[in-house]
Amino acid sequence: DAKTTQPPSMDCAEGRAANLPCNHSTISGNEYVYWYRQIHSQGPQYIIHGLKNNETNEMASLIITEDRKSSTLILPHATLRDTAVYYCIVTTDKLIFGTGTRLQVFP
Amino acid sequence: SAVISQKPSRDICQRGTSLTIQCQVDSQVTMMFWYRQQPGQSLTLIATANQGSEATYESGFVIDKFPISRPNLTFSTLTVSNMSPEDSSIYLCQGSDTEAFFGQGTRLTVV
Repeated sequence: DAKTTQPPSMDCAEGRAANLPCNHSTISGNEYVYWYRQIHSQGPQYIIHGLKNNETNEMASLIITEDRKSSTLILPHATLRDTAVYYCIVTTDKLIFGTGTRLQVFP
Repeated sequence: SAVISQKPSRDICQRGTSLTIQCQVDSQVTMMFWYRQQPGQSLTLIATANQGSEATYESGFVIDKFPISRPNLTFSTLTVSNMSPEDSSIYLCQGSDTEAFFGQGTRLTVV
């Protein structure tokens, strides 16, 4: 079973920040937090990952709480093309996908 | 990151037959994996493709049904054997170097 809990769906207005939460209360010390997204009918796309520090790249920011039991993926300026299912995964190697969050960005 | 070419992109097969899906990576990767994604569902890990040895299967998946080969660090195949309509899914391969990356999937329909 997946080790993460995510809301099944979220909406976001175009141009606004999308904040996607993830709970991973049983995370172990050597497990990373990964985020992927899957746009309809395509293979999953890597977004970002982190261990305990906050991370930022050209796509998103990842905020991990100090106790590492939860994290938030931030898309700073959501666009219609960001509409997808977003998966939060904790792992040391293989990816076990949960049900993810279906993000709908609306005009 | 590296790029995976997966083929076929889609196929329609008769029940009782087998289909082999191929994934070619444009560079050597340590790990390769195979997933199934049934309609409207998330991805389910089938197995880890081990180079030069037998694949490691997840619970609920067996070698007789999903034989996997990985002859080198850039190539792997998954065969879906003795197919039934319940095997209709998207099958995806994944490679890992500094991050994980996926093929575009094979959409299989069994009739």
